Formats: sequence, C-alpha cells, structure tokens
Amino acid sequence: EVQVVESGGGLVHPGGSLRLSCSTSGFTFSKFWMHWIRQTPGKGLMWISGIDDDGESRKYADSVKGRFTISRDNVDSTVSLEMINLRVDDTGLFYCVAMFCDETACAHHWGQGTLVAVSS
Amino acid sequence: DIVMTQSPDSLAVSLGERASINCKSSQSLLFSPTNRNYLTWYQQRPGQPPKLLIYWASTREFGVSDRFSGSGSGTEFTLTINNLQAEDVAIYYCQQSYVTPLTFGGGTRVDIK
Repeated sequence: EVQVVESGGGLVHPGGSLRLSCSTSGFTFSKFWMHWIRQTPGKGLMWISGIDDDGESRKYADSVKGRFTISRDNVDSTVSLEMINLRVDDTGLFYCVAMFCDETACAHHWGQGTLVAVSS
Repeated sequence: DIVMTQSPDSLAVSLGERASINCKSSQSLLFSPTNRNYLTWYQQRPGQPPKLLIYWASTREFGVSDRFSGSGSGTEFTLTINNLQAEDVAIYYCQQSYVTPLTFGGGTRVDIK
C-alpha cells in the first residue's frame, strides 16, 4: 500500500522557521520526482518546490527562492522542506507529492497534507 | 510561467447528464519529441487531497471510471464526465507539467442540479 505522510506543520510567527518532513512507503521512491504543493482557500493550488529522483536538480517557485530548501534521502524514502523567514502569505496546507512518468505511464501519490499557519 | 485558465468556475449538472470543463494554457503543452501534451486533470473531494484522473491530456489513470475522458492538444483541453454520478461532486483542476513551475488552473466546482 502506498503511503505518503507529511509532518512538521504548525503555527509560527512571521520571520520564523519550520521544517516539513514527508515519509513514504509502498513505491520505488528513488524513481520519483518529489514536490511540495501548497493549497489555500483563496489562491488554490500552488507548486512550491520539486527535487528530481537523485536529488541533483532542485526547483523552487520564485516566491520561496532563498528562503526554502528541499532535500531528499533515498535510503529512508523521505523528503524535507526547510522553510526560513516565513511570511503570512506562506500559510496553507502543504502536500508532499510523488510524481513519476516513463514511456508508458505516469503515477502520482499525494499525502494528506500538513498545515502551516504564519501569523502574528 | 505558464498560466492555466479553467472555465467555468462552477457548474451544476443533472444526474446522468454530461459535464464538460475547459482548460486553456498560455503556451503549448505539446512536447514534440514525445508527441504528448503535458496536461493533467485532478479531482478533489471535500477534505481529501487531489486525486489523479487523467495525464498526458487523455490517458486515464488506472482504476478511474471510463465516464471520465480528456481531450485536446496544444493550448486547449477538455475534461468530460459522462453519466454524472453523485460521487463526482468535487472540484476539478487542470495542471501543466511541461515546465517548472508546475501550474494549476483555478478549479471548477461540479455539483448536482
């Protein structure tokens, strides 16, 4: 059974930091790109960051560049998002998402999300 | 960034009828070397994460009902739900994976009339 489980969310003041973690099982983690996607009632779904299968390529949304760092551990099948200098508009439900495509098919696995609230 | 525009924002359809959702991208999602459109459709029910329905614009995910179909190419795409059922009440999103940043449409809410 595929499992994607996020943790680490919480309430933090503007300027504060959080580290989100995502633990996975049930699929070949080392073949998947891993992404963090945020959902808010007002702005819908927004891609935040992604890391390729071997961790060599890391991508970020412009709004988080220099503040967020994505990393992965292919031994433990985990991915993390280190967030510093948080802003009010970083608030939302953060999903960890595994994505894979080959020549014949694609697979996506979403977690249930972890809530990040940035407020004074 | 590629802008994804969905229409309508919401629609109400009678049980057993057809629902159609449109999605336009600000640039082509057709990747010539693979001849595939990098357009994905998701369904999100209340309290749940998005669920993959269709990828490559028209390939149905394993286990998804054949009442769901995707069509289109380039910059214009459509998700069609035939014979609408109560369990299809949800918000539907399109998303491009042609290039990062991955971007999403604003969503279309489907309800029963």
